[in-house]
Amino acid sequence: GAVVSQHPSRVICKSGTSVKIECRSLDFQATTMFWYRQFPKKSLMLMATSNEGSKATYEQGVEKDKFLINHASLTLSTLTVTSAHPEDSSFYICSATSGQGTGELFFGEGSRLTVL
Amino acid sequence: DAKTTQPPSMDCAEGRAANLPCNHSTISGNEYVYWYRQIHSQGPQYIIHGLKNNETNEMASLIITEDRKSSTLILPHATLRDTAVYYCIVRSNAGGTSYGKLTFGQGTILTVHP
Repeated sequence: GAVVSQHPSRVICKSGTSVKIECRSLDFQATTMFWYRQFPKKSLMLMATSNEGSKATYEQGVEKDKFLINHASLTLSTLTVTSAHPEDSSFYICSATSGQGTGELFFGEGSRLTVL
Repeated sequence: DAKTTQPPSMDCAEGRAANLPCNHSTISGNEYVYWYRQIHSQGPQYIIHGLKNNETNEMASLIITEDRKSSTLILPHATLRDTAVYYCIVRSNAGGTSYGKLTFGQGTILTVHP
């Protein structure tokens, strides 16, 4: 299947700093990418949908100024957690689809953020 | 998208078939059934999907009832590496800017034991 790569896989930062997570589709063009977060022992929660070249659509309750999403090319989307706080510590997962066929979604390996 | 109901956990002996049920009684005609799994601390992995016919691939089989209100994912010979959370998701494949969007429920924790 298609490959989606996230970087970094783990990041530890101090409270108040900003952290950028990259999501790349390695062997296909991703017209749409999705960002999820997951707390321990919980399911994945969709944060936002990003389409290449347009502003991201955020789910209810997700602060767009806190979680900046940029989808500047068909192979790259970034999530920036701004002014991170300990409660932002979570597992962030991106996924991507080419928009073709039956819209199969491919997931990255996830990025674990720890805010001290 | 239609809601799904899965048992919170199941056990299976290694080498035996694992049958994971999913209820989706409010599924509509254009909605597909997708199955993903998530091994601890990894991103979800696609397993299989179907509309109304039974499907089989190298990983699993998907059996969808005739009325499409429920389905069963079958792992024919479970191994220890199949221990994971299995998610059944129902989704329309209609186009639009949210094409591909998946909404995850709580899933079933499958534990394969020796």
